[in-house]
Amino acid sequence: SAVISQKPSRDICQRGTSLTIQCQVDSQVTMMFWYRQQPGQSLTLIATANQGSEATYESGFVIDKFPISRPNLTFSTLTVSNMSPEDSSIYLCSVFRAGEQYFGPGTRLTVT
Amino acid sequence: SQQGEEDPQALSIQEGENATMNCSYKTSINNLQWYRQNSGRGLVHLILIRSNEREKHSGRLRVTLDTSKKSSSLLITASRAADTASYFCAAEGLSGNTPLVFGKGTRLSVIA
Repeated sequence: SAVISQKPSRDICQRGTSLTIQCQVDSQVTMMFWYRQQPGQSLTLIATANQGSEATYESGFVIDKFPISRPNLTFSTLTVSNMSPEDSSIYLCSVFRAGEQYFGPGTRLTVT
Repeated sequence: SQQGEEDPQALSIQEGENATMNCSYKTSINNLQWYRQNSGRGLVHLILIRSNEREKHSGRLRVTLDTSKKSSSLLITASRAADTASYFCAAEGLSGNTPLVFGKGTRLSVIA
């Protein structure tokens, strides 16, 4: 299994501000993913982040709004920029290891 | 876009009854997975069924997969109040290490 931690676990932010979410994995992984789960909804893939290359964004998500860093094989950050109440969601990072996908505990973001 | 579509969206049953949730997906898959999410909590991986399997059991869970119909079902037998949660199917595409695409989920309420 993979142990994934996220910081912060939750935050309440003012609209117009930005929040950077950190994801730390207990060992090196090639591929990391960021998902969003809006209230009462399912998980939607935001982007795939591979170390050493630009993140690949899914339809409906753009780099200016959700910049991602992947400085090494155990760490990634997702920034939610210029937040609005519609960005209130749980943000989860996820990794593949040995053919299985594992999820972090999530960061619960509330934008007021 | 969402790969899996679940029905029903919500299901309410009495303790001891069986609960059946269905999932359909759109493209060919390597495997299909089911997750549980208690309100306000993280994802819990329940079971994985590979594309060459038709049925799989794990405790009170029974999963079926019909690749010709691109559908899967999750049966929870002898339900308990603690089974109250949202259940999601998630499909892994054919390409290696493709991130899971989640269905919309079924909210199950088990009434004691």
